[in-house]
Amino acid sequence: VQLQQWGPGLVKPSETLSLTCGVFGGSFNDYYWNWIRQSPGKGLDWIGDINHSGSTNYNPSLMSRVTISVDTSKSQFSLSLSSVTAADTGVYYCARGKGSGYEGGFFDFWGQGILVTVSS
Amino acid sequence: DIQMTQSPSSVSASVGDRVTITCRASQGISTWLAWYQQTPGKAPKLLIYSASTLQGGVPSRFSGSGSGTDFTLTISSLQPEDFATYFCQQVKTFPLTFGGGTKVEMK
Repeated sequence: VQLQQWGPGLVKPSETLSLTCGVFGGSFNDYYWNWIRQSPGKGLDWIGDINHSGSTNYNPSLMSRVTISVDTSKSQFSLSLSSVTAADTGVYYCARGKGSGYEGGFFDFWGQGILVTVSS
Repeated sequence: DIQMTQSPSSVSASVGDRVTITCRASQGISTWLAWYQQTPGKAPKLLIYSASTLQGGVPSRFSGSGSGTDFTLTISSLQPEDFATYFCQQVKTFPLTFGGGTKVEMK
């Protein structure tokens, strides 16, 4: 299983950050797919997840600005974060939840990470 | 949100040392806890899940224990490739949350 992410590394303030993660190998439909970010020099923040049917869970701290979507035909899922500010600068990772239920929260495969800088 | 507090925030150790990192949850999470290892410029790597189950391919010098609110990650004999930052994570309740990290540095 490999996860490969892509998207712009620079986003202007007030605009929308958009990233996509492609899944190569393994089953796409059997897992939850996650976005996590890491602010410079800081820890990890879970953004949200989605399954193959489009069911989502979001971090309440970002819920008003986040949309996670899925394209099962391409084994891809995407992150959209609107009205970004400098505080949204960080490395964004996609990751696979290990299994079902609680185990879906354990991330066993990760993308390479993309540094997104919010700056004019 | 469940707050995850790790200690220490950093530890200096030598190859061959036994290293112990602790993680405390602000409320009980049973054994719904994972440990990750992160080296600079890389994505985190899952080491242990369900508090004590070793992820496939992870060396047996890593072990985890605990339940409820208090958890421990132990490296029995530190190897050169183990100098990294370690994070705990709870999966009991949304939003999923991580500890602040413990950096294992060379003494």
